[in-house]
Amino acid sequence: EAQVTQNPRYLITVTGKKLTVTCSQNMNHEYMSWYRQDPGLGLRQIYYSMNVEVTDKGDVPEGYKVSRKEKRNFPLILESPSPNQTSLYFCASSSTNEQYFGPGTRLTVT
Amino acid sequence: GDSVTQMEGPVTLSEEAFLTINCTYTATGYPSLFWYVQYPGEGLQLLLKATKADDKGSNKGFEATYRKETTSFHLEKGSVQVSDSAVYFCALSDHTGRRALTFGSGTRLQVQP
Repeated sequence: EAQVTQNPRYLITVTGKKLTVTCSQNMNHEYMSWYRQDPGLGLRQIYYSMNVEVTDKGDVPEGYKVSRKEKRNFPLILESPSPNQTSLYFCASSSTNEQYFGPGTRLTVT
Repeated sequence: GDSVTQMEGPVTLSEEAFLTINCTYTATGYPSLFWYVQYPGEGLQLLLKATKADDKGSNKGFEATYRKETTSFHLEKGSVQVSDSAVYFCALSDHTGRRALTFGSGTRLQVQP
């Protein structure tokens, strides 16, 4: 089954404790992306990757890092999380302009 | 920059009622337009799309027509069901390499039996 998976689905952490949210897709897509969803704001792009070793900033990249060492994986890294990064995070992958989304990771930073 | 404006919700309808959720956009060039649906506790699923002016996207009884003259992509369904209760997002994608989706803020639909 074609899918995008994310782990963990839920995470509660404290300010400053580094964390990684993993994302994996099995569709052999070159393009992958991270979004965050906040009430009243819809989804906003954090980072995207056109291919292995090619990443670039989206609209809200501050406080986040990404890496793309393999085509299927695109982890999101928060080196020093802060409460304003409490949000619902979605990973997506795409072969054309149609994007497929993962189930989401709900992150709470206290 | 690009933007998408949706009608605010929640929209509450009775089963079998007609649904319209308005969506207008601002973009340079000729974006592709999408409707995504998010059921409670789940991720986003593509509902329908249109890639050029006058295209009509349709799926599961939902329809939307790409209207360039009014920069709109309104979502319609003739007869809603309780199972259609969800949050609906209108989005556009430019044709640059970035492929970022610009989303509206979402409209929550509640269908009552």
